[in-house]
Amino acid sequence: SAVISQKPSRDICQRGTSLTIQCQVDSQVTMMFWYRQQPGQSLTLIATANQGSEATYESGFVIDKFPISRPNLTFSTLTVSNMSPEDSSIYLCSVEEQYNEQFFGPGTRLTVL
Amino acid sequence: DAKTTQPNSMESNEEEPVHLPCNHSTISGTDYIHWYRQLPSQGPEYVIHGLTSNVNNRMASLAIAEDRKSSTLILHRATLRDAAVYYCIQSGAGFQKLVFGTGTRLLVSP
Repeated sequence: SAVISQKPSRDICQRGTSLTIQCQVDSQVTMMFWYRQQPGQSLTLIATANQGSEATYESGFVIDKFPISRPNLTFSTLTVSNMSPEDSSIYLCSVEEQYNEQFFGPGTRLTVL
Repeated sequence: DAKTTQPNSMESNEEEPVHLPCNHSTISGTDYIHWYRQLPSQGPEYVIHGLTSNVNNRMASLAIAEDRKSSTLILHRATLRDAAVYYCIQSGAGFQKLVFGTGTRLLVSP
């Protein structure tokens, strides 16, 4: 199974600033996904990131707010821009290495003051 | 929106079997049923998936109704480590996005 790491594991940021979250996978994968989990809530998909193409964003999420990079098959970044307290969440990346099985990273816990 | 319906919470005693139900009445002929669970302070982890037939793996069994409108995740002997939120997800075949509902919070008592 894929091993996924995320950096940072947690951060506390000031409103109006931006934070870039890194997701590193130990194997080459075609599709990577970025999710948000707000406090006490379930996971919500932000976008799907394929290497070599623009990310596909879900309804309610826009590229200006959550720009994503996917420079190669083992790495992706998600930036949370111009943050507000409402962006305080856990951000998780996932990959589908094996058909119909997604593996999730440990998450990045973001607090915006 | 999530397409599945699950009870908010269930309780079990350690070493007893647990049956977690899920309704997916709008499932299409090519949709799979996936189960993931999320332990406290961790990302979700894959449990099992199936299409039509019942499925078994080292973690659990998945029993799918004949009409495919419901399924049951079976943990044969619950342990304290099985306390988690269990998500039942209806999704198309491979490399598809997962739409998480609210899941079932399983509490396991010693």
